[in-house]
Amino acid sequence: QVQLVESGGGLVKPGGSLRLSCAASGITFSDYYMSWIRQAPGKGLEWVSHISTSGSTKYYADSVKGRFSISRDNAQNSLYLEMNSLRAEDTAVYYCARLNGDTAMGYFDYWGQGTPLTVSS
Amino acid sequence: SYELTQPPSVSVSPGQTASITCSGNKLGDKYTSWYQQKPGQSPVVLIYQDNKRPYGISWRFSGSTSGNTATLTISATQAMDEADYYCQTWDISTAVFGAGTKVTVL
Repeated sequence: QVQLVESGGGLVKPGGSLRLSCAASGITFSDYYMSWIRQAPGKGLEWVSHISTSGSTKYYADSVKGRFSISRDNAQNSLYLEMNSLRAEDTAVYYCARLNGDTAMGYFDYWGQGTPLTVSS
Repeated sequence: SYELTQPPSVSVSPGQTASITCSGNKLGDKYTSWYQQKPGQSPVVLIYQDNKRPYGISWRFSGSTSGNTATLTISATQAMDEADYYCQTWDISTAVFGAGTKVTVL
C-alpha cells in the first residue's frame, strides 16, 4: 500500500535551519508531483510547496519563498524540504502529500503522518 | 492572493444533512476538492474535481459547485463524521485551502 513517511522535524532556534524528508513507498514516485503542506497548532492547512515529477518546476507559498527549498530524488523515492531562516510562525506539523493530477485539477490523495517542527528560543 | 471562505462551524443532528460552503472569486471556474481531518489524524480527501468521490469514500459525502460557491453535503450524518473539513482549489498553480469548518454532531 502507499506510504509516505516524513522525518526530520524537531526543535530549532529562530534563524536556524532544518531539512525535512519524506520517504515514499507503494507508488511510482517519479510519476507524481509531490507537495509539502503544513498545519500550525490549532490552525488550518496551509500549502507550502510542490515540485514537478522531474524536479524542474517548483512552486512556493509567499510565506516561505526565498527561505524554503523543495527537492526530490526519484532514485531514492524521496522528497525533501530545506528550511532556512526559520521563524516562530513556521512552527507546524509538516505533511508530505502526493498530488494526483496537475496544478489545476489535481488533489492530494495520499498524506503522510506529519513531522512536527517547533521554532523557539 | 486568492482566498476561500468557509463557515467556522456547522452543527447537525444525527441522521440529518449537513452542508458546508466554500466561497471564492470565480470558484465555479476552478476545481474544488474537500478534505476531512479528525483530531490527531492526517487529512483524507472526500471529494475531488467538484463532485467526484475517491474509491472507498462513503456515498453520504457529495460535492457541488455553483457560481462562486462550492458545497460539501453530508447526508445521514453520523457521529463519526464529527471532524474538520477543508475545501481546496488552485490559483495560478498554487494550492489554496479554506480555513476549515468544524462539524459538530449534536
